[in-house]
Amino acid sequence: RKEVEQDPGPFNVPEGATVAFNCTYSNSASQSFFWYRQDCRKEPKLLMSVYSSGNEDGRFTAQLNRASQYISLLIRDSKLSDSATYLCVVSGISGAGSYQLTFGKGTKLSVIP
Amino acid sequence: EAGVTQFPSHSVIEKGQTVTLRCDPISGHDNLYWYRRVMGKEIKFLLHFVKESKQDESGMPNNRFLAERTGGTYSTLKVQPAELEDSGVYFCASSHRQGASYEQYFGPGTRLTVT
Repeated sequence: RKEVEQDPGPFNVPEGATVAFNCTYSNSASQSFFWYRQDCRKEPKLLMSVYSSGNEDGRFTAQLNRASQYISLLIRDSKLSDSATYLCVVSGISGAGSYQLTFGKGTKLSVIP
Repeated sequence: EAGVTQFPSHSVIEKGQTVTLRCDPISGHDNLYWYRRVMGKEIKFLLHFVKESKQDESGMPNNRFLAERTGGTYSTLKVQPAELEDSGVYFCASSHRQGASYEQYFGPGTRLTVT
């Protein structure tokens, strides 16, 4: 079983649509949770951290359910510029005392005019 | 503030050759990480430096990979001898502090192709 699993995608949605991404993680000791965005042939960039209380940043809403080990990202009113791969990422301390990031494979979103 | 930089951006080498990748973290960031994405797979952790010391190298694939961070500034990742399965994108990231909630800033990556 993969440590972080995401929707396989790709998601092709029209401008203005609402799209939801889901992610599950296997390590219950994970401490922090993130959504990263990666444009084609670019580096991953932090989109937002995810908290149990849920958090919103403009058109983006992220939610964490620790009991179910489930993370979600909702994008409202999709823009063409939202087209990218969205990576679900968790962080926790390793056996060697390092806070490494564990990535999902990513879900590709294409917003169509 | 300059971001994380990596050199080269692309490298094409033959199987059995040696390649050295370089990463310059954000100035003042003690924590430096190497990650790798092999085609079709997720990005995976390779190792973590705190200043010049290796904190965790549990993700290094085998002893053909050698990472150094002399002086605690830039880091190099050497692959010797390179194999076909080493092809992928190698990302470096840095963070000011160590902790689960601290953001790691990624460099643009080095795309390595072994033929």
